This record gives sequence, C-alpha cells and structure tokens, in this order.
Amino acid sequence: GQQLNQSPQSMFIQEGEDVSMNCTSSSIFNTWLWYKQDPGEGPVLLIALYKAGELTSNGRLTAQFGITRKDSFLNISASIPSDVGIYFCAGQNAGNMLTFGGGTRLMVKP
Amino acid sequence: DSGVTQTPKHLITATGQRVTLRCSPRSGDLSVYWYQQSLDQGLQFLIQYYNGEERAKGNILERFSAQQFPDLHSELNLSSLELGDSALYFCASSPGGFGDEQYFGPGTRLTVT
Repeated sequence: GQQLNQSPQSMFIQEGEDVSMNCTSSSIFNTWLWYKQDPGEGPVLLIALYKAGELTSNGRLTAQFGITRKDSFLNISASIPSDVGIYFCAGQNAGNMLTFGGGTRLMVKP
Repeated sequence: DSGVTQTPKHLITATGQRVTLRCSPRSGDLSVYWYQQSLDQGLQFLIQYYNGEERAKGNILERFSAQQFPDLHSELNLSSLELGDSALYFCASSPGGFGDEQYFGPGTRLTVT
C-alpha cells in the first residue's frame, strides 16, 4: 500500500540533543499529523497541521506543514528518555483516511 | 488514554478460523476507522464508518468485513484467517466524517498459528 517517505528510519541520540525527522509525499495533503507510538500501544496524536506553511508547537515539539503541501517535519528539542518510541507522520485529505509514513524509531541514551 | 476502547487485547487463533474485534469510540464521536499494522506493510487504512454507514474503504480484503451499530460501537470480522493476517489491528474515532483528528485505541494483537 501507499506510504509516505519518512526519514530517518531510526535515530539513537544522547539525552538533551535536538531531533529532527521529516516526511515527503508525491501527493498533496490537506492535513499533516504527527503521532507517537509506544510499544504495545496505539498511536497518540502529537500535532495536527492544517495550512501550508503552518508552524505549530506542542511543548518541546515543533512541526511544520510544507509550503508545497507534500512534506512536513517534526523537531523535538532537548530530548528526554520518555521521548523514546516510534514517531509516525500521516497525511489526510477530505477522504478522511490517514496515509502513514514508515515511522522513525527514536532511542535516547541517558 | 484516548477514550477509544478495543477488545480483546490479544487473540491467538488458527488458520481458517474467524474472529471478531470490537471497538467503542470516544464519547460523542460518530466516525470509526480500522487500521492494520504489520511489520512489512506498516499502518494501513482498512475501512471507515460514519454514524452507521460505510464511508470509505481502503486496502481491506474481501475476507474482512466491518459494521457500526446504532450505539456507534464497531466490529471488524476477519474470516478464513491466514498466517499473514497476524498483525495489530487499531480502531480510531473522530467526531465527524471529514478531516477530523483521529484518536486511536490500544489495539488488538492478532496471532494466527
């Protein structure tokens, strides 16, 4: 099935470092969302972006909706151990279904 | 806690069998979505129901079917199970039918042996 191209696939960083991950698509989306999934749990919504160029923050997380509507990035500042997990981007159009990226697995070394 | 509940948490069954997964959406949400998460295919949209009616269909196999009941809970039926159906199945809900943020349940892990 179709997936968004999400990179990097995994990251192993030191606690306190900043993290950046991004997602690209060959298709335009009306909405970009970022989710985090912990082991054995469902994805949890972190940030939703509704307009091209929009920059939105949620605590230490900042995400942007690309101006072309075909990409988005997520930054995490000053990472902490509980940031460990898998981060997914998702694109959404009027059809409602979410198209997901392959995920970025984040590991944080204390 | 997203407010979306799913049962059972784990299910182990044999090939050829049929199972039913259940989802209760967040209070007030009218839309229910089903997704499958497997190692090789990632998170894939299966089907959406809005207020009891099928609204959108994704890559859902013919062996799979779903419905949404008057109390808005939903069931996903998987039949003639194959080894490749082993996956996590997530339900999500949203208030309306168009462009809403979706909130995911904890999932059902299905293992087919």
